[in-house]
Amino acid sequence: AQKITQTQPGMFVQEKEAVTLDCTYDTSDQSYGLFWYKQPSSGEMIFLIYQGSYDEQNATEGRYSLNFQKARKSANLVISASQLGDSAMYFCAMRGFTGTASKLTFGTGTRLQVTL
Amino acid sequence: EAQVTQNPRYLITVTGKKLTVTCSQNMNHEYMSWYRQDPGLGLRQIYYSMNVEVTDKGDVPEGYKVSRKEKRNFPLILESPSPNQTSLYFCASSLGAYNEQFFGPGTRLTVL
Repeated sequence: AQKITQTQPGMFVQEKEAVTLDCTYDTSDQSYGLFWYKQPSSGEMIFLIYQGSYDEQNATEGRYSLNFQKARKSANLVISASQLGDSAMYFCAMRGFTGTASKLTFGTGTRLQVTL
Repeated sequence: EAQVTQNPRYLITVTGKKLTVTCSQNMNHEYMSWYRQDPGLGLRQIYYSMNVEVTDKGDVPEGYKVSRKEKRNFPLILESPSPNQTSLYFCASSLGAYNEQFFGPGTRLTVL
């Protein structure tokens, strides 16, 4: 079974500051992928960043980076230089690679509010 | 434009009245999936499909049916909706089982 835990229901950050959103996971799969999605108030789900379990380098996409610590089973999202438009709900998700079955499991999310 | 579309976007119905939420993608993706989103619970997978005629249950399949007769379409069927199926529903697709998923805009369903 897969499980994603996001322990921060809400976070505040000042504009231009960096913020880290926590995500820990549990899985028995040897190979898996970790994803972060953003959900603004308009409701759509926007893919941000992906990290494979065998990737040696931490993933980066513009202002987003994923701090992947495999031994600790954590995959924290770091947003640098926060902008007002970053205010949204953020979901961490994991996909196990077991045979032909592939399921994406989501955490409960963290609501980020960027302030002036 | 590459996209996942869902219809309807909003639906209010009554208990027991069969309904179908359509999902279509134009990216030739093999993998499609349905999720429901409820406050405090995140997104939970209802059903997924690895390819045409290949579907499997997710975490919360009870009360739902799906079919995948064509690659582009993956409708979600509620044969006898109940109030506990009031939720926000998302359809998603990905190129393969191991790629990022692209989400539709969501369908907000209310069952009275």
